[in-house]
Amino acid sequence: GIQVEQSPPDLILQEGANSTLRCNFSDSVNNLQWFHQNPWGQLINLFYIPSGTKQNGRLSATTVATERYSLLYISSSQTTDSGVYFCAVDNTGFQKLVFGTGTRLLVSP
Amino acid sequence: GAVVSQHPSRVICKSGTSVKIECRSLDFQATTMFWYRQFPKQSLMLMATSNEGSKATYEQGVEKDKFLINHASLTLSTLTVTSAHPEDSSFYICSAPGSSFATDTQYFGPGTRLTVL
Repeated sequence: GIQVEQSPPDLILQEGANSTLRCNFSDSVNNLQWFHQNPWGQLINLFYIPSGTKQNGRLSATTVATERYSLLYISSSQTTDSGVYFCAVDNTGFQKLVFGTGTRLLVSP
Repeated sequence: GAVVSQHPSRVICKSGTSVKIECRSLDFQATTMFWYRQFPKQSLMLMATSNEGSKATYEQGVEKDKFLINHASLTLSTLTVTSAHPEDSSFYICSAPGSSFATDTQYFGPGTRLTVL
């Protein structure tokens, strides 16, 4: 099956810093989403981005499908950005998401 | 955006008992829903696909007799963990796609934390 690797696995930032999270996948995909899992376990949709670039406030994402990677940018980080960030992909066409290994982010005041 | 709910949010049970978890799409219909499991500090793993009006399909290595899935209506799927044991303790999360198109956003419930004593 498809492999999804995320880097870095852990990231510690000072409030206000910027960061880039990476997601590499081993096959072409027709669905790619970025999620933030908060400390209570809720997965929050950030982006649906199988290709191209999107921005939403301090967050933006870029997927280069031909090179099989996606990047999530967080600017001016806040303590509320802490949690685990997952990318998830589907290459079956049946909406079955395969989750990446995750990046655990801690933003300190 | 679309909302998916789960009930209960947390359950503690004794070994050997069965536990039912409900997943509902609140403001949209879902002919397909998905069940995931997440162990502490790990990623989410797909367990099964719940199909309205037909049998669920299970991922390799997931025991269908242990994890019973019923998609009772276009807005409700249930996961029953039968004869639960401590190794079944985990965080169970359901999801539903926003549409039947392969290229669409999936929406996740808040999860159910199961602890088996």
